[in-house]
Amino acid sequence: DVKVTQSSRYLVKRTGEKVFLECVQDMDHENMFWYRQDPGLGLRLIYFSYDVKMKEKGDIPEGYSVSREKKERFSLILESASTNQTSMYLCASSFPAELYEQYFGPGTRLTVT
Amino acid sequence: AQSVTQPDIHITVSEGASLELRCNYSYGATPYLFWYVQSPGQGLQLLLKYFSGDTLVQGIKGFEAEFKRSQSSFNLRKPSVHWSDAAEYFCAVHGGATNKLIFGTGTLLAVQP
Repeated sequence: DVKVTQSSRYLVKRTGEKVFLECVQDMDHENMFWYRQDPGLGLRLIYFSYDVKMKEKGDIPEGYSVSREKKERFSLILESASTNQTSMYLCASSFPAELYEQYFGPGTRLTVT
Repeated sequence: AQSVTQPDIHITVSEGASLELRCNYSYGATPYLFWYVQSPGQGLQLLLKYFSGDTLVQGIKGFEAEFKRSQSSFNLRKPSVHWSDAAEYFCAVHGGATNKLIFGTGTLLAVQP
């Protein structure tokens, strides 16, 4: 079974802090994704990566950056957390040959106070 | 641009009753379509997917979905709902030339005893 893990299930940070959300997958997937999930808005793509050191902006990249130094790990960085970044963050991965099916981690619920 | 609409934000059904969750998509070519389920506090799990061929696809947990090109729909069905089906359900369409998935805003299913 594919396993996608996220470093924290719940996280509370203060406004202005730098926040790192980590995601690791164990299936050698090339593609990795970061989404945020908000009630009534569904999932919105923040960033994605096709390979190590490759990244592309999604639909809402403002206020976020990412890092992919190793194939299995994809990090989401909030350079200076703000209260409007309080949300559920979901990481996913996929293998190109599996035609876009994505496997999701359990999510990190981030609260910025 | 590709888009997905889930017109029902919240649905309540009785245990044992049938279920249909609606999904409409906008996409110029033949779409790749997905249904995901998110149980409380969990990540998303793939229920089923449609790429081509038979328009009625079977998924896990007794779910099925029917692709209707003429109606641009991909509705999810289950003949008899169990209490454990209470969750949020997301429809998604593959977003064209990239590996992106476009998600609907979700339908929250409650199951009454």
